[in-house]
Amino acid sequence: GESVGLHLPTLSVQEGDNSIINCAYSNSASDYFIWYKQESGKGPQFIIDIRSNMDKRQGQRVTVLLNKTVKHLSLQIAATQPGDSAVYFCAEQGYGGGADGLTFGKGTHLIIQP
Amino acid sequence: DAGVTQSPTHLIKTRGQQVTLRCSPKSGHDTVSWYQQALGQGPQFIFQYYEEEERQRGNFPDRFSGHQFPNYSSELNVNALLLGDSALYLCASSHYRITYEQYFGPGTRLTVT
Repeated sequence: GESVGLHLPTLSVQEGDNSIINCAYSNSASDYFIWYKQESGKGPQFIIDIRSNMDKRQGQRVTVLLNKTVKHLSLQIAATQPGDSAVYFCAEQGYGGGADGLTFGKGTHLIIQP
Repeated sequence: DAGVTQSPTHLIKTRGQQVTLRCSPKSGHDTVSWYQQALGQGPQFIFQYYEEEERQRGNFPDRFSGHQFPNYSSELNVNALLLGDSALYLCASSHYRITYEQYFGPGTRLTVT
């Protein structure tokens, strides 16, 4: 079946560097894409979302890029800090709004090296 | 402003037993979704409740059932527990018109022995 997946299970970056976390999706009918951060022992925390009619969206230190041609989503984190260490999930929701659960990928574990 | 709350935090049950998990949504939210997260995996959608009705369901058996109350809080019930039901159960709340923006609670860690 169609699902959202991630390229890399673990990403290690130096503190202060920029991080890029990638995600591939296969459901062309998806309308919303969302990035979540999950710290150990906690529930996923909403970071940023992007709708399918957009290519880029910026938040505080984060940018999400959507490439519908190759069905690719990325999360860029600027000036990575120790507090950014977590597992990052991309999720998608199908078109139609209303009662639609999110489909999550397996996650990328971001490790910050001092 | 309280976020999403869940109870209990941890729970240990025996195979064949039944369990009830509880969730209170974020203030202003009217929709509650439940997810199951196995260790090392992403959350999997169980079902969503709005206006006290189940609106959509993921690929989970009928042993998983739920309820939403008039104050928008919700319960997840699992009957005839299996070892494979051991997981973190997450509740997420949202506004019905913005269901892609879901806010998660800390989860209930269920262990089935």
